Amino acid sequence: KAGVTQTPRYLIKTRGQQVTLSCSPISGHRSVSWYQQTPGQGLQFLFEYFSETQRNKGNFPGRFSGRQFSNSRSEMNVSTLELGDSALYLCASSLGRSPLHFGNGTRLTVT
Amino acid sequence: KQEVTQIPAALSVPEGENLVLNCSFTDSAIYNLQWFRQDPGKGLTSLLLIQSSQREQTSGRLNASLDKSSGRSTLYIAASQPGDSATYLCAPSDFGNEKLTFGTGTRLTIIP
Repeated sequence: KAGVTQTPRYLIKTRGQQVTLSCSPISGHRSVSWYQQTPGQGLQFLFEYFSETQRNKGNFPGRFSGRQFSNSRSEMNVSTLELGDSALYLCASSLGRSPLHFGNGTRLTVT
Repeated sequence: KQEVTQIPAALSVPEGENLVLNCSFTDSAIYNLQWFRQDPGKGLTSLLLIQSSQREQTSGRLNASLDKSSGRSTLYIAASQPGDSATYLCAPSDFGNEKLTFGTGTRLTIIP
């Protein structure tokens, strides 16, 4: 069974641009969560989607948004990029109450 | 607001030793608690999940315990191997949703 797939693996953007990251969950998993990992703040929860609905949201500004499609694939978008948005963005999927399975992440660098 | 602390922040032990990693959390109203490992530049690998009603879980050389009332969990690694070198993270989940709150992790180095 294929794991969680995140694309692209690396991304370099400049301040003010926007970016879209993609996540394909494990087949059959309907819950997709996104996390941001930085050296200073560690791992922080962004949001969680289930059956195309956002069920939970972390404490991030409105520049961070996401969506989930009918096939459970998810995208997250960050608009008006800031230097502080440089991070490893991790996506995780689950069946609901099962362990979270993480992808290898997208490393975003904002210059 | 849940806060998670992991002690120690870093640990180096010789191969073959048994070791314990500690995790404490401030809000005992959790649904479950997961332990993960993270290798450099990679995502997280789930090691063990303990439901709030359970006291411990075992998988191979790993054993995780949970004392919800005192807000503590431990991860015991038996007969450590160099391949166990990684950062270990604990993450309790809020009751009723998939949101995990992560600790800052323990960076473990096993010396051959």
